Amino acid sequence: AQRVTQPEKLLSVFKGAPVELKCNYSYSGSPELFWYVQYSRQRLQLLLRHISRESIKGFTADLNKGETSFHLKKPFAQEEDSAMYYCALRRGSTLGRLYFGRGTQLTVWP
Amino acid sequence: DAGVIQSPRHEVTEMGQEVTLRCKPISGHDYLFWYRQTMMRGLELLIYFNNNVPIDDSGMPEDRFSAKMPNASFSTLKIQPSEPRDSAVYFCASSLVTGTGYTFGSGTRLTVV
Repeated sequence: AQRVTQPEKLLSVFKGAPVELKCNYSYSGSPELFWYVQYSRQRLQLLLRHISRESIKGFTADLNKGETSFHLKKPFAQEEDSAMYYCALRRGSTLGRLYFGRGTQLTVWP
Repeated sequence: DAGVIQSPRHEVTEMGQEVTLRCKPISGHDYLFWYRQTMMRGLELLIYFNNNVPIDDSGMPEDRFSAKMPNASFSTLKIQPSEPRDSAVYFCASSLVTGTGYTFGSGTRLTVV
């Protein structure tokens, strides 16, 4: 079975500090990993997917298959980064369905 | 494309009443998902459809919940009778089978008093 774990429900940092939101997964196959972001009272939006290896809004995430992790990082947090972040996994064998973690609420203090 | 459209944006109803939430997916998307979001439980998948056919409804809390997708451009989630513990934000999302992930709607904030 697959599982996505985000160990931190809440995370607070000061503006300009580095931030890392942790995501661990369990799945025996080759997963696709995603990060979604939800700003206050807005819809969830796709932030990153590991396949594209891109940097969005200064955020990056690397899939580490050895540690089964897909942590989201940003070197210098901004106040506008305050939001709920969800890590999600899609199994290669069942296209379409995403499995979400419980989410991490990031607060960036001025 | 206007994206995934949900209605209503807000719904306040009394316990025992029937509630119907609506969703219009992105044209051409062949998957449609209904999620419930609460502070306590995060995002919970209720049910999803592929080509209008329900694939997995194991997340539907109980018989009071039902969902339909009569055609590729419309889906409903119905709660009858509603209870205060159903209060949550209900999101609809759609995707392509080979797409880059989900596109979410703006959600319906349901309050049952």
